[in-house]
Amino acid sequence: EDQVTQSPEALRLQEGESSSLNCSYTVSGLRGLFWYRQDPGKGPEFLFTLYSAGEEKEKERLKATLTKKESFLHITAPKPEDSATYLCAGCSGGGSEKLVFGKGTKLTVNP
Amino acid sequence: DTGVSQDPRHKITKRGQNVTFRCDPISEHNRLYWYRQTLGQGPEFLTYFQNEAQLEKSRLLSDRFSAERPKGSFSTLEIQRTEQGDSAMYLCASSLYRPGEETQYFGPGTRLLVL
Repeated sequence: EDQVTQSPEALRLQEGESSSLNCSYTVSGLRGLFWYRQDPGKGPEFLFTLYSAGEEKEKERLKATLTKKESFLHITAPKPEDSATYLCAGCSGGGSEKLVFGKGTKLTVNP
Repeated sequence: DTGVSQDPRHKITKRGQNVTFRCDPISEHNRLYWYRQTLGQGPEFLTYFQNEAQLEKSRLLSDRFSAERPKGSFSTLEIQRTEQGDSAMYLCASSLYRPGEETQYFGPGTRLLVL
């Protein structure tokens, strides 16, 4: 069964304190690994898609990387506005390309 | 280019009542997905459409749930005889499906509370 596991469940950082979020996956026929940001009461906001091991993508203070079993979301010098829940999802093949999500990491950045 | 929209944003209903939610995808997108998210969990896949055809339904989608996408445009999700366990955020996503492009863009969600 396809599974995505994120760690830690919650992370508190001081402003400027860099860290990484982990996403491990077992998804058959993986068509892509996605990162989303979700603010309370809102829908997930797309951040990155990674397709193959070794691929990296960056956006402002965020960088996503992918290996054959894991993905990491690195946050460099975070700001309070980066506080949110970060969701990782594997896209399974087989026709539907449905997303299989982890439970998310709730990030809090204190000023 | 407007994003995915959903209506209503919030719905409170009594157990046993029927509810219907609407999703308008990004205009050129041919795929539309429904997910359900409960507190502290990631979204879970319910069903998806390619154009007007409903091609897959999750085991989570009981007989009380039905979804349509007439003419391949907007979609509706109806829940009949609601139960307290149906309380959740219902999310709609759309994508322009083609090889190498599987990104799904989500709407703001409809939060359902069943009393």
